[in-house]
Amino acid sequence: QVQLQESGPGLVKPSETLSLTCTVSGGSISSYYWSWIRQPAGKGLEWIGRIYTSGSTNYNPSLKSRVTMSVDTSKNQFSLKLSSVTAADTAVYYCARRQLENAFDIWGQGTMVTVSS
Amino acid sequence: DIQMTQSPSSVSASVGDRVTITCRASQGISSWLAWYQQKPGKAPKLLIYAASSLQSGVPSRFSGSGSGTDFTLTISSLQPEDFATYYCQQANSFPSFGPGTKVDIK
Repeated sequence: QVQLQESGPGLVKPSETLSLTCTVSGGSISSYYWSWIRQPAGKGLEWIGRIYTSGSTNYNPSLKSRVTMSVDTSKNQFSLKLSSVTAADTAVYYCARRQLENAFDIWGQGTMVTVSS
Repeated sequence: DIQMTQSPSSVSASVGDRVTITCRASQGISSWLAWYQQKPGKAPKLLIYAASSLQSGVPSRFSGSGSGTDFTLTISSLQPEDFATYYCQQANSFPSFGPGTKVDIK
């Protein structure tokens, strides 16, 4: 079965760039939309953006100026970069697969990212 | 942007109770709605998609209904493993989630 695993630094300094990678195992990354979603401690879920395996992207308008997503089909990975981070970007970051009805059927376990000097 | 609201924000219930959670979209989204269950320290788990379709492997005590702007998630007979937080998500445009409903033990 398809599994997702996030990886990347758990601590990022303010004003720097947060970089995370999601590795897809047990299946192909092709022909799906892949998303990043985050959740600050004790709060709700916020969709960051999505990428198709062609490289086409859509971003949350509230984060669009700071977000870049990319995909590497040869490695079955996709990535997130969030620039100019502040403490407000501290959260658990999840990667997820979007199924045909636009719901997220497979999620990674999540990775905690703290923005602090 | 489509805003999602949920009610109640929390509910206390006992094992065997019927629990109903409501989700409302700020504009019509047809049946583009999903429901998730999240337990502490875990990723959300998809329960219902397309407003009323049960995700594979999810117990039949979970059901969803609604269309347009008003939706409902019902747990017909609450089980101990169902104590969690539930989120709705609109899938009509760029995804957005409701604020969540926490189901805890009465």
